[in-house]
Amino acid sequence: DGGITQSPKYLFRKEGQNVTLSCEQNLNHDAMYWYRQDPGQGLRLIYYSQIVNDFQKGDIAEGYSVSREKKESFPLTVTSAQKNPTAFYLCASSMAGGYNEQFFGPGTRLTVL
Amino acid sequence: AQTVTQSQPEMSVQEAETVTLSCTYDTSESDYYLFWYKQPPSRQMILVIRQEAYKQQNATENRFSVNFQKAAKSFSLKISDSQLGDAAMYFCAYRSDSGNTPLVFGKGTRLSVIA
Repeated sequence: DGGITQSPKYLFRKEGQNVTLSCEQNLNHDAMYWYRQDPGQGLRLIYYSQIVNDFQKGDIAEGYSVSREKKESFPLTVTSAQKNPTAFYLCASSMAGGYNEQFFGPGTRLTVL
Repeated sequence: AQTVTQSQPEMSVQEAETVTLSCTYDTSESDYYLFWYKQPPSRQMILVIRQEAYKQQNATENRFSVNFQKAAKSFSLKISDSQLGDAAMYFCAYRSDSGNTPLVFGKGTRLSVIA
């Protein structure tokens, strides 16, 4: 079945640690996206990639890093520089063209202990 | 930069009744797309309906329809014959008609359905 997978579903981090959230898609989509969701804030864009080996910062990129070495994979690293990382993180992908919907993964809940 | 505003943080509707969720947006572009996504308690984002800005005809998908007013930059979602399964967060989103640009989301409206 085609789709987007995110792992882990729940992640706990101690302060000062870097953690990496996984996102994989088998939809053959060129573009991939990372959003952060906080209560009452909607979804805010962290990073996006329109093609392999290229990515752009979103509205809240500080304290995060990404890589896009393969078309299928777009991992997000939450670094110790992110001051308030506890949130729900959603990965998405889409085909080229504005009409095409973004497909979303099931999300990862990150909690800083 | 484009912005999307959902002015109703919470709404409720009786089962089998009709409810309308509001969305306004700000853009200087003439070509773009608008979307409504649903996020149930499982937190899986699901596309409900989409609208191309160049089309005057309002999009419909079964019990879901939109009222798209381009001049007013308004894009409301109407849910008819509401069902318990419609209870969810609903997000309005904007996307430019240029390449693989990201969606710009509103803050969402939480819809409760009362039996």
